Amino acid sequence: DAKTTQPPSMDCAEGRAANLPCNHSTISGNEYVYWYRQIHSQGPQYIIHGLKNNETNEMASLIITEDRKSSTLILPHATLRDTAVYYCIVRVGDNFNKFYFGSGTKLNVKP
Amino acid sequence: DAGVIQSPRHEVTEMGQEVTLRCKPISGHDYLFWYRQTMMRGLELLIYFNNNVPIDDSGMPEDRFSAKMPNASFSTLKIQPSEPRDSAVYFCASSLSQGQPQHFGDGTRLSIL
Repeated sequence: DAKTTQPPSMDCAEGRAANLPCNHSTISGNEYVYWYRQIHSQGPQYIIHGLKNNETNEMASLIITEDRKSSTLILPHATLRDTAVYYCIVRVGDNFNKFYFGSGTKLNVKP
Repeated sequence: DAGVIQSPRHEVTEMGQEVTLRCKPISGHDYLFWYRQTMMRGLELLIYFNNNVPIDDSGMPEDRFSAKMPNASFSTLKIQPSEPRDSAVYFCASSLSQGQPQHFGDGTRLSIL
């Protein structure tokens, strides 16, 4: 099963870009990488997902390496409200609907 | 659009009592998921449905847990009898189709005394 590895915590200054790394070295060729975040006491919130190409939406950018073994989520201008646990997720085995959330990265955005 | 709606938001009950958690998925979503989150084990998938049919319940911890989806707009997760170790936050999520992003509700914080 493809699993992910993320640093347990990171700090970022308000207004600066936050770059959150994720290793998924066992990912299969047809597996998407998903990013979610969870703000304290709320449900996980979908951010972005991608397969091979870099992706961007109104919340963030996702950079996936050419070998697909790692990715980086970029929050271009972090705000205090971006303080949360960020999860990099791939599916469990061949089941497209089973996500392995792991421990995530606690991002602390500081004034 | 309304998101996934869960009720109650908080539940406190005594050991041995029956607990029923409720979920209304986003309209038009074919998949519904139940998760449990604890400090020790993180976020775990319990069961998921496709078009109201249970597909994978391998995450359900034991026979005390059961889930139903009588129609496309409603699902329940029931624990009977409840035990203190069932204390956790239970999330419901739904997705439009296979492999699509899952959208989560705000969860039910369950405390079993």
